[in-house]
Amino acid sequence: QSALTQPASVSGSPGQSITISCTGSGSDVGSYDLVSWYQQHPDKAPKLMIFEVSKRPSGVSSRFSGSKSGNTASLTISGLQAEDEADYYCCSYADSSLSSYVFGTGTKVTVL
Amino acid sequence: QVRLVESGGGVVQPGRSLRLSCGASGFIFRIYPMHWVRQAPGKGLEWVALIAFDGSTKFYADSVKGRFSIFRDNSANTFLEMKSLRTEDTAVYYCARDLNTVPGKLSYSGFDVWGPGTTVTVSS
Repeated sequence: QSALTQPASVSGSPGQSITISCTGSGSDVGSYDLVSWYQQHPDKAPKLMIFEVSKRPSGVSSRFSGSKSGNTASLTISGLQAEDEADYYCCSYADSSLSSYVFGTGTKVTVL
Repeated sequence: QVRLVESGGGVVQPGRSLRLSCGASGFIFRIYPMHWVRQAPGKGLEWVALIAFDGSTKFYADSVKGRFSIFRDNSANTFLEMKSLRTEDTAVYYCARDLNTVPGKLSYSGFDVWGPGTTVTVSS
């Protein structure tokens, strides 16, 4: 099972909006609304930001939103803030004998 | 508060075994499926294993199938038994709680609580 494809890096100025894409296939992202997104600061554990494509856990800022179209899921961060600078990973359930879940390659978000 | 804490990491030679533990507190452990996820140095996240809330169902990534075993006990602990370790198993291993959006079933929705991780280094 290949990793989901994410851009290596995305950057934006404070207050701007950025979008991170996550491209999979018909065996994962395209077939299930089971995409989640994680934020990871350096040397820290990941933190759940979005689950089931667009649902936000309690306590996560409304500046974070998720969507999906076909085999591509997206995470949008609005009103970019300095503390949003981190690595972001998407994850999807995968209908595969190789793995039940597949993560994305990861995107480094830089706040300029 | 809800908390997971891993232990058992260390330096081990290729071919040897290691058991990781994950202690849970602050929530009703017995109703949640649990996972192990790992991250090799400077690399991305890789899902490793899943165990259902009652231990009846287990799934593994192909990269560890036949070598790793996940299990749990009634004292709020989840374990990862790792055998025939390889250098490519070197990683930070995270214990993670399943979102459990469909209680009593595997929902595959993701992971909502993570431990700080424990480091496993496989090297001669």
